[in-house]
Amino acid sequence: DAKTTQPTSMDCAEGRAANLPCNHSTISGNEYVYWYRQIHSQGPQYIIHGLKNNETNEMASLIITEDRKSSTLILPHATLRDTAVYYCIVRVASRGSTLGRLYFGRGTQLTVWP
Amino acid sequence: KAGVTQTPRYLIKTRGQQVTLSCSPISGHRSVSWYQQTPGQGLQFLFEYFSETQRNKGNFPGRFSGRQFSNSRSEMNVSTLELGDSALYLCASAPTGDEETQYFGPGTRLLVL
Repeated sequence: DAKTTQPTSMDCAEGRAANLPCNHSTISGNEYVYWYRQIHSQGPQYIIHGLKNNETNEMASLIITEDRKSSTLILPHATLRDTAVYYCIVRVASRGSTLGRLYFGRGTQLTVWP
Repeated sequence: KAGVTQTPRYLIKTRGQQVTLSCSPISGHRSVSWYQQTPGQGLQFLFEYFSETQRNKGNFPGRFSGRQFSNSRSEMNVSTLELGDSALYLCASAPTGDEETQYFGPGTRLLVL
């Protein structure tokens, strides 16, 4: 599975958009980009995933560059409850022996300020 | 639907003891994965079960074991506990065919003294 690079920490003012970048320059053509977040002392929470098209759901938007070497998770109107560690994970969906196995890096600590 | 539940939420043990943690997945999910989270190593994959069979295993010693029952509930066991086993143990379940979209429980925080 491809490795990802994320900034260690980011800040965002409440009500503003939070844009979290992720570099995955070695991504393969069949690897998806997944985003999870973990609020302090809770289990990780699935946010969104995509292959090459931009995706949006009720939580966030995912923008993947045309060359797929990087992506950005966008929280359109950040709230204090969005303060969490955000993990960008790149992997082939449901592939053989690594099925159901996620590789978490260190993620980005997003702090939303009032 | 109810989420993933884990019991107990907190546990204190001493070195050399063994411990069993329990996980009930979301109804209908047959894949259950276990992760260990520590400040030093982050989130690390332990193992994954599907339909009562271990499908995947991470790089942990044999003291760590697990099983899954016919109702998809899962348990993990750690024998001969060491101080370094102190961690948050997370269980996640996933729907069949979409195993990367995992739904995590709140975890069991284990402290080994």
